Amino acid sequence: EAQVTQNPRYLITVTGKKLTVTCSQNMNHEYMSWYRQDPGLGLRQIYYSMNVEVTDKGDVPEGYKVSRKEKRNFPLILESPSPNQTSLYFCASSPSGGGWETQYFGPGTRLLVL
Amino acid sequence: SQQGEEDPQALSIQEGENATMNCSYKTSINNLQWYRQNSGRGLVHLILIRSNEREKHSGRLRVTLDTSKKSSSLLITASRAADTASYFCATELGGGTYKYIFGTGTRLKVLA
Repeated sequence: EAQVTQNPRYLITVTGKKLTVTCSQNMNHEYMSWYRQDPGLGLRQIYYSMNVEVTDKGDVPEGYKVSRKEKRNFPLILESPSPNQTSLYFCASSPSGGGWETQYFGPGTRLLVL
Repeated sequence: SQQGEEDPQALSIQEGENATMNCSYKTSINNLQWYRQNSGRGLVHLILIRSNEREKHSGRLRVTLDTSKKSSSLLITASRAADTASYFCATELGGGTYKYIFGTGTRLKVLA
């Protein structure tokens, strides 16, 4: 089944404790992206990757890191999480990132930073 | 912020009625997409409309685009309880950036 998977689905952590949220897709897509969703703000793009080893900042990259060493994986790293990073995070992928393409979303990761 | 905006923020209707939600955006676009999100889950693509199109239909969905006003609307006809969800518009920022802007969303509740 074609899908985007994220792990973990739920995470509670404390301020300053490094964490990684994994994202994997099995559709051989070139483009992958991370979003955060907050009430009243919709989805905001954090980082995106056009292909392996190529990443760029979205609208809200501060406090996040990403890497794209393999086509299928695009982990999101919070080196020193803070409470304002409490949010619902989504990973998405599409064939090449073009605006005419459907983005396929993962199920989301709900993060609480205490 | 490049954020798109949608209105209304929330909409409650009876089953069988039509639901209309609107999206405004700030930049020139080549395409605009609508997505649906069931309570806290991942988004699912509904429909795409290109900048040279004014209207597009897909089943019970009708999307319009007015590039002069930088706005789009999504109409769901004969709504069902299963249409209860949040709906978002999304555009690529263009200019080869591969950045995406999503609207703030409309929460639709269809009462049985």
